[in-house]
Amino acid sequence: DTGVSQDPRHKITKRGQNVTFRCDPISEHNRLYWYRQTLGQGPEFLTYFQNEAQLEKSRLLSDRFSAERPKGSFSTLEIQRTEQGDSAMYLCASSLKGATNEKLFFGSGTQLSVL
Amino acid sequence: AQSVTQLDSHVSVSEGTPVLLRCNYSSSYSPSLFWYVQHPNKGLQLLLKYTSAATLVKGINGFEAEFKKSETSFHLTKPSAHMSDAAEYFCVVNDQTGANNLFFGTGTRLTVIP
Repeated sequence: DTGVSQDPRHKITKRGQNVTFRCDPISEHNRLYWYRQTLGQGPEFLTYFQNEAQLEKSRLLSDRFSAERPKGSFSTLEIQRTEQGDSAMYLCASSLKGATNEKLFFGSGTQLSVL
Repeated sequence: AQSVTQLDSHVSVSEGTPVLLRCNYSSSYSPSLFWYVQHPNKGLQLLLKYTSAATLVKGINGFEAEFKKSETSFHLTKPSAHMSDAAEYFCVVNDQTGANNLFFGTGTRLTVIP
C-alpha cells in the first residue's frame, strides 16, 4: 500500500496520560498536514510541515500538542496531559509541493478516546 | 477570511434519482474549491477540484459541481444515485496562502434508499 498510513487506528487513554500518533506520508511527498475531526464536524487544520520544517500551526494547537517531522519523512503528533475534549479523529495528509495538480491525500486517521 | 457553508446536514435520496448537495462559499479572492467524500473507516477522498478554469467540474464516480460566482455556490450533483454513494461529503475551500491548507464545511451525510 503506497498511501498515507497512520498508527494506531484507535487509541483509548485515561485523562492526564500522554499519547503519540504516527503518520507515514506517501514517500515522495514533501508536505505533511495534521487535521482533527470531532463528531459531526469537518476536519480542522492543526499544523503542516514542508520537509522537516513546521511552517504553520493553528490556534487549535495548544501547548499540550507537539508535532515533529525529524527527517522530513514520517511525522509524530504528541498530546500531553490529555483531556476529554481531545477525543477526536486525528487525520494526517500529505502532498507534493509544486506538483502540476497538487492535492492532499488523507490517511484513515487515528481515533482517540480520552476517558 | 474564507469559509464554506453546507446547507444540509443530511440528504436522503432513492437509488437511481438525482443527488444535489449544496455548498456556499465565502472568500475575498477567487478560491480553489473541492468536494471530498468520506466513507466509514476510510480516508477522505477527493471527488473534484475547481481552480478557476472551467466552471463546470467533472469528478470521479459520475459527480460534478458547478462554480457560480454570482451565487457564491459550488453545489455537487450526480444524475443517478448508487447505493455505494452513501457517505459523508465535505465542501472545502483552499486558503490560497501557499500552504495549501484546507477549510472544511461541516459535512452532508448522504443516505441512499434502495
